[in-house]
Amino acid sequence: GDSVTQMEGPVTLSEEAFLTINCTYTATGYPSLFWYVQYPGEGLQLLLKATKADDKGSNKGFEATYRKETTSFHLEKGSVQVSDSAVYFCALDTNAGKSTFGDGTTLTVKP
Amino acid sequence: EAQVTQNPRYLITVTGKKLTVTCSQNMNHEYMSWYRQDPGLGLRQIYYSMNVEVTDKGDVPEGYKVSRKEKRNFPLILESPSPNQTSLYFCASSLVGPQETQYFGPGTRLLVL
Repeated sequence: GDSVTQMEGPVTLSEEAFLTINCTYTATGYPSLFWYVQYPGEGLQLLLKATKADDKGSNKGFEATYRKETTSFHLEKGSVQVSDSAVYFCALDTNAGKSTFGDGTTLTVKP
Repeated sequence: EAQVTQNPRYLITVTGKKLTVTCSQNMNHEYMSWYRQDPGLGLRQIYYSMNVEVTDKGDVPEGYKVSRKEKRNFPLILESPSPNQTSLYFCASSLVGPQETQYFGPGTRLLVL
């Protein structure tokens, strides 16, 4: 079946550091790929998405590129802020209705 | 305001006492889904619904039931809760399917004693 493997956390960075959270996937067909973010005490919200190979999703300074050849969708940000502290989930979805999430990576940014 | 609402937000119950967690969306979305979130296990899909009267199992459906009699509502039913169903539950909806952006409710924290 489909699966998503995320970089293990937690990740702790200083403010303005570069962030990478790795995500690789296995899936049949051509899934859409997502990054969701969960702030403390809240539900998940979409951060960015990509629907086909070589697409780049971007939002709030975060970026991720859909790499079919390496089955990856790594999340990057050039300069993190304290307000970026949250749990980040990589996910894939297919037209079949099932949705698969990674285990989540907790990011803490220190001033 | 476009939103997904869940009730209750917090619930403590005892083993075997039937309970229902409600989920409602006001965005006229066709797709709705239930997830549970457990430490170290991420989000796992319990059930999903592509449209009214159409439901299907996710990865962890055992011990749960759902129904979709109206487009806006998708209740999650635990007929005989057990302690291993203690978890944080999220309902989500999207326009036509999970390949579109899913909008999540605020979560329901359930403790089964």
